[in-house]
Amino acid sequence: DSGVTQTPKHLITATGQRVTLRCSPRSGDLSVYWYQQSLDQGLQFLIQYYNGEERAKGNILERFSAQQFPDLHSELNLSSLELGDSALYFCASSDRDRVTEAFFGQGTRLTVV
Amino acid sequence: AQSVTQLGSHVSVSEGALVLLRCNYSSSVPPYLFWYVQYPNQGLQLLLKYTTGATLVKGINGFEAEFKKSETSFHLTKPSAHMSDAAEYFCAVSAYNNNDMRFGAGTRLTVKP
Repeated sequence: DSGVTQTPKHLITATGQRVTLRCSPRSGDLSVYWYQQSLDQGLQFLIQYYNGEERAKGNILERFSAQQFPDLHSELNLSSLELGDSALYFCASSDRDRVTEAFFGQGTRLTVV
Repeated sequence: AQSVTQLGSHVSVSEGALVLLRCNYSSSVPPYLFWYVQYPNQGLQLLLKYTTGATLVKGINGFEAEFKKSETSFHLTKPSAHMSDAAEYFCAVSAYNNNDMRFGAGTRLTVKP
């Protein structure tokens, strides 16, 4: 158990809909990272937050957004969903701004139908 | 920006044989290097990491990796494969001056009895 909690574990939704994925980092970790894992793209870095502030952006679509709350949990919002957004979404956390180690959650499997 | 290339999307070994998974990196600054393992339907678990110091890094489950700057490599080895080692392995790179971790495409390890 990495200590990173993601909910829900599975999500099935229709095209055009909006969903919210939730992540609780390990106790004491200030950084949260979001990754998307798909068969064709592999593991893609989406975005990082550190202590409530956005720190780095990767290949995140404009339809996607994230935030980190004062209690350090984070949410990834995916809107106007398309079939191609079906993937595993992972959250990871670390105790620093720079990545010297990251602990991953179990992921949320999103299926868009 | 950093990147990693994992040579071989699939590697198959017999139980008890040497495991060698190859990873080459690209980085304009001294890298931080990681190996993660992913079992089916699970998140990523850190096997080992190199940030600074000793170039031979020992990790969990008998795995080790050697950072070779001259070859820009960070290959993962284990002297004797066990059936429980069957999983997907990811090499990743980061650095002191950035906030994200970039992953390779992954290598699926199969262990034959």
